[in-house]
Parts: sequence; C-alpha cells; structure tokens
Amino acid sequence: DAGITQSPRHKVTETGTPVTLRCHQTENHRYMYWYRQDPGHGLRLIHYSYGVKDTDKGEVSDGYSVSRSKTEDFLLTLESATSSQTSVYFCAISEGGIHPTNEKLFFGSGTQLSVL
Amino acid sequence: GDSVTQMEGPVTLSEEAFLTINCTYTATGYPSLFWYVQYPGEGLQLLLKATKADDKGSNKGFEATYRKETTSFHLEKGSVQVSDSAVYFCALSGDTGRRALTFGSGTRLQVQP
Repeated sequence: DAGITQSPRHKVTETGTPVTLRCHQTENHRYMYWYRQDPGHGLRLIHYSYGVKDTDKGEVSDGYSVSRSKTEDFLLTLESATSSQTSVYFCAISEGGIHPTNEKLFFGSGTQLSVL
Repeated sequence: GDSVTQMEGPVTLSEEAFLTINCTYTATGYPSLFWYVQYPGEGLQLLLKATKADDKGSNKGFEATYRKETTSFHLEKGSVQVSDSAVYFCALSGDTGRRALTFGSGTRLQVQP
C-alpha cells in the first residue's frame, strides 16, 4: 500500500470555524491532490499540487485553500466551514512521470468531516 | 470540459451472475481511462486501465475495453462474488498538465449470496 496518511479520520465542527485537514505521504511523489466525495457527484477535485509551494485550483475550490511547504505534506484548509462542506475528503498522490495520461493515483483512507 | 457518466446504482446481483457497469465519457484529445474500486471504509484503488483505443484492461476477472467510436469503457465480469461488493468509479485522465483524474459519480454493486 502507498504510504498516505490522512488526519484526522473524523472531524465534527461548527459552521464558521476554520478547519485544517492534513495529508502526509512517505512516497516522495511530486503530485498531491485533494478530492471531496459526495453522493451523486463521485469525486471532485478541490486543489492539487505539482511541487513544493506549487498549487492550483480544481473544479470546486471556492471556500478552500491549500499549502505545501514540504514534499510530504499537503494541507487543506476550510477558511470558514459551512454545512455544504460536509463531505468525505480524500487525499491522493501520483508520481508525476513523463506520460501524464497514464498516471495512477494512490488514495488515502479519507476524512469524514461534518459541519453542524 | 471533460466528463464521465456512469449508470445509476445500486446494482444488485446474485453470486455468479454476469456484471456490466456502463461508462461513457466526453473529452478532448485522447484520454486514458480507468476503473477504480472503493471497498467500505477505504479509499479508492485502481482496478484496471486502458491508455488507447481498443485496449482492454483486465484485473481480478474484471475487464473493460476502450471504445473510441462509442466513447465508452464498460466494466464487465463474468461471475461476481460477494467480495466484489463495492463502489466502482469510472475515470479519465485528459491531456492536461495537472494530471488529475475526472471521475464519474460511482456505481454501488451489491452481490448477494
């Protein structure tokens, strides 16, 4: 199994509070991703990173920010949590080889976030 | 933009039945296509992939053929087992610099003994 650890595994918070989720990898992979999983929508990309301090937005980035100060860590912050951000959040990594259309993603076990 | 459409679930089958989960896609260029599987309480893991037209991906008895003419990548298995119960996601990787996957909404498979 790829060495990906997400923390916390479960989080309950209140509307309006900031929340930070952490993804830690031991594979030294270049690319890291945050997805959210919701019924009827599958997985949707929030943000991704292609190197230390190099990040970009995905399709559902509003209300989220990310940071990557080290290769192994990718943080997702909900600046002011809302009930619509209740979801399961998955971190994924990929090696970033020379054939981008052949990439295999490795996923963490997910973080269940509930915003009350 | 890129998109993936999967059949609605849940799909409920008896053990040893034949499985088909439909997947169609919209993309520019020549995407790679993937099936990922998610077992209860776990993250997604790659089941199989195909990188060009007419390629067949296969793994653990599952197969899918990349059909460019019908923009489809249907998942099939000849004889399902209870242990195949999971959520199956079709995905594509477009020719973009971010190397991120676009996923379908997922299809839950329930196999009854």
